[in-house]
Amino acid sequence: AQSVTQLGSHVSVSEGALVLLRCNYSSSVPPYLFWYVQYPNQGLQLLLKYTTGATLVKGINGFEAEFKKSETSFHLTKPSAHMSDAAEYFCAVRGDTGFQKLVFGTGTRLLVSP
Amino acid sequence: DSGVTQTPKHLITATGQRVTLRCSPRSGDLSVYWYQQSLDQGLQFLIQYYNGEERAKGNILERFSAQQFPDLHSELNLSSLELGDSALYFCASSVTGSGGDTQYFGPGTRLTVL
Repeated sequence: AQSVTQLGSHVSVSEGALVLLRCNYSSSVPPYLFWYVQYPNQGLQLLLKYTTGATLVKGINGFEAEFKKSETSFHLTKPSAHMSDAAEYFCAVRGDTGFQKLVFGTGTRLLVSP
Repeated sequence: DSGVTQTPKHLITATGQRVTLRCSPRSGDLSVYWYQQSLDQGLQFLIQYYNGEERAKGNILERFSAQQFPDLHSELNLSSLELGDSALYFCASSVTGSGGDTQYFGPGTRLTVL
């Protein structure tokens, strides 16, 4: 079984500051890991994903995440926040065997102040 | 625009009623997923279909059912509606339906049960 824990339901940063959104996962099989973003009144958009290979994954809009197996973490970072980054961010995990469900964390709302 | 379409965008109905939500996947995607997003439950996986066959089941109530048709569009049927069924219902699609496949989400259908 898989599960995801996102620390912090809300994270506030100033424009230009580092963004760090935390995600820890639990999985009984090798995981696939995802970060999605949801803007108000919209569906979810994939930011990046880890499947196999390089543990540092680069995504859209300047975001990146590092898969750390020893820490069971997949934290999302961006060097410099923009006002347009304000949204809800979801970390998700899926097992690598057969047809397994995508399990989402509870989400972190990112607030960006000028 | 993810390429996944959902209709209707909004649905307001009364308790005890039955509704049908429709989803058209991206061109070429064989797998369709349904999710429910609510304030108290977060994002919950309901069910997955691959090329017309059910592949995975999540926390889907017995009052809910779904199917995927030969043209690959899918419908989610919700019956005997209760106030607690009010939520945002998302459809997603992917190419193969397994592993690290990216799921592309539609804009959602907001269901309000009065």
